[in-house]
Amino acid sequence: AQSVTQLDSQVPVFEEAPVELRCNYSSSVSVYLFWYVQYPNQGLQLLLKYLSGSTLVKGINGFEAEFNKSQTSFHLRKPSVHISDTAEYFCAVSGPAGGTSYGKLTFGQGTILTVHP
Amino acid sequence: DSGVTQTPKHLITATGQRVTLRCSPRSGDLSVYWYQQSLDQGLQFLIHYYNGEERAKGNILERFSAQQFPDLHSELNLSSLELGDSALYFCASSVNPGTGDSPLHFGNGTRLTVT
Repeated sequence: AQSVTQLDSQVPVFEEAPVELRCNYSSSVSVYLFWYVQYPNQGLQLLLKYLSGSTLVKGINGFEAEFNKSQTSFHLRKPSVHISDTAEYFCAVSGPAGGTSYGKLTFGQGTILTVHP
Repeated sequence: DSGVTQTPKHLITATGQRVTLRCSPRSGDLSVYWYQQSLDQGLQFLIHYYNGEERAKGNILERFSAQQFPDLHSELNLSSLELGDSALYFCASSVNPGTGDSPLHFGNGTRLTVT
């Protein structure tokens, strides 16, 4: 079984400051890792994904995340946030390619990022 | 715009009733997934269809059922509705499950309110 823990339910930050949203996962098999963003009254949009290879993954809107296998973490970072980054962010895991669990995403509880002017 | 279309956007109904939620996947996507988002449970995987066949089930109640039609659109049927079924129901699609370069694309959801 897989599980995801997002360590912060809310993260307030000032505009142009750096931010890190923390995510830890638990799985007995290798996993794919994802970060999704949900703006108010919208669906989830994929920010970035880790499948294999380089542990530093770059996504859209200037976000990046680092996969740390030893710490089972996949923290999301942005060096300078904008007001428009205010949204809820979800970390998710799924099983490896070829398995029936791929796409069966297990989500964390979400982190609400609020960017203040 | 993800290309995934869900209808209706909002649905208000009474306890005991039955509703049908509809999802049209992105053009070319063969897989459809249903997720439920509620305040207490968060985002929960319900069910996955691939090219018309059920591939995986998650935390889906027996009162709920789904199907994927030959034109690849999918419907989620919720019956004997209870207050606790009030939630946002998302549909997502992907080209092909089991390939790493096939991420999920989500629709904007159907907000179901059971009164």
